[in-house]
Amino acid sequence: DVKVTQSSRYLVKRTGEKVFLECVQDMDHENMFWYRQDPGLGLRLIYFSYDVKMKEKGDIPEGYSVSREKKERFSLILESASTNQTSMYLCASSLLGTGGGQPQHFGDGTRLSIL
Amino acid sequence: GDSVTQMEGPVTLSEEAFLTINCTYTATGYPSLFWYVQYPGEGLQLLLKATKADDKGSNKGFEATYRKETTSFHLEKGSVQVSDSAVYFCALRGNQFYFGTGTSLTVIP
Repeated sequence: DVKVTQSSRYLVKRTGEKVFLECVQDMDHENMFWYRQDPGLGLRLIYFSYDVKMKEKGDIPEGYSVSREKKERFSLILESASTNQTSMYLCASSLLGTGGGQPQHFGDGTRLSIL
Repeated sequence: GDSVTQMEGPVTLSEEAFLTINCTYTATGYPSLFWYVQYPGEGLQLLLKATKADDKGSNKGFEATYRKETTSFHLEKGSVQVSDSAVYFCALRGNQFYFGTGTSLTVIP
């Protein structure tokens, strides 16, 4: 089974801090994704990456950056945390090809609170 | 562009009731379709999928049929249990992944 592991289930940080959320997958997937999930808004894509050192902006990249130095690890960085970034953050991975209905596989999420 | 629309919730059912959660999609080409389930405090888990027209995905008593003529992928279960209480997401994969906004289901004993 694919395993996507997010480093923290719950995290509390202060406004202005630099925050790192880590995600590791164990299935050699090319694609990795970061979403945030807020009530009534569903999943919104922040950034994704289809290869090491490659990144693409999603729908809401402002205030975030990402790093992918190794294939299995995709980090989300909040450069200067603000209270409106309090949310549930979900990491996902998938194989690159679209054939065969390859799904995304999700981690358990990190519930981040910015005080 | 591609998109997914699923019925608004929340949905509340009694145990052993029949469940339908509607999902329709807009896509160019031939996307793959998925249903995910999210239990409280957890990430999304793949529930079932279908990759071409008339395919039926099934898992844990849930079913959904890929209907190209109506661009739909409705989720059904004949008899829900309290343990099915969760949020359900319809999704498609074309060139990118697209998710519906989720439907919250509560099953009461």
